[in-house]
Amino acid sequence: AQSVTQLGSHVSVSEGALVLLRCNYSSSVPPYLFWYVQYPNQGLQLLLKYTSAATLVKGINGFEAEFKKSETSFHLTKPSAHMSDAAEYFCAVQGGGADGLTFGKGTHLIIQP
Amino acid sequence: SAVISQKPSRDICQRGTSLTIQCQVDSQVTMMFWYRQQPGQSLTLIATANQGSEATYESGFVIDKFPISRPNLTFSTLTVSNMSPEDSSIYLCSADSLNTEAFFGQGTRLTVV
Repeated sequence: AQSVTQLGSHVSVSEGALVLLRCNYSSSVPPYLFWYVQYPNQGLQLLLKYTSAATLVKGINGFEAEFKKSETSFHLTKPSAHMSDAAEYFCAVQGGGADGLTFGKGTHLIIQP
Repeated sequence: SAVISQKPSRDICQRGTSLTIQCQVDSQVTMMFWYRQQPGQSLTLIATANQGSEATYESGFVIDKFPISRPNLTFSTLTVSNMSPEDSSIYLCSADSLNTEAFFGQGTRLTVV
């Protein structure tokens, strides 16, 4: 069984500041990990994924995430926030390639001018 | 990447009726899944749509309420039966092939009145 915990339902940062969205997971098998973004009234867009290759994963729009097995974490970062980054971000875990995804509750990212 | 089309994109339905949502993928995929996103909430996996056999449902979801079909490798339907206001949600179709990421449709926004 898998589970995902996203710390902070809302995160507010200033434009140009570092973005850090936290995700911790639990999985009984080596996991696949994902970050998705959802803009208002839109579907999910994949930001990046970890599938047991490099532990530092680079995604779209300047985002990256680091898989830390010892901490069971997969935090999402971006060095400099942009107004267009304001959205809902979901961390998800997949226990195996044939399984559906288990999502965290999501983090609403607010960018202050 | 695969493109997923969902129909309808939104609907308002009377309680007690049923709605069938269609999901069409533009290429053959191994796995198809259905998720529910209740207002302001994260995504919850309803079931895995298995090609040529009965869907595999997650805990809390049953076939009588959410019958699913998957007649081939590119198409699936989800029916929300005997609807009540509590079924008002966004329903999302997802597809992936082993070793690729999951793609999501834009979702079907259902309102039950």
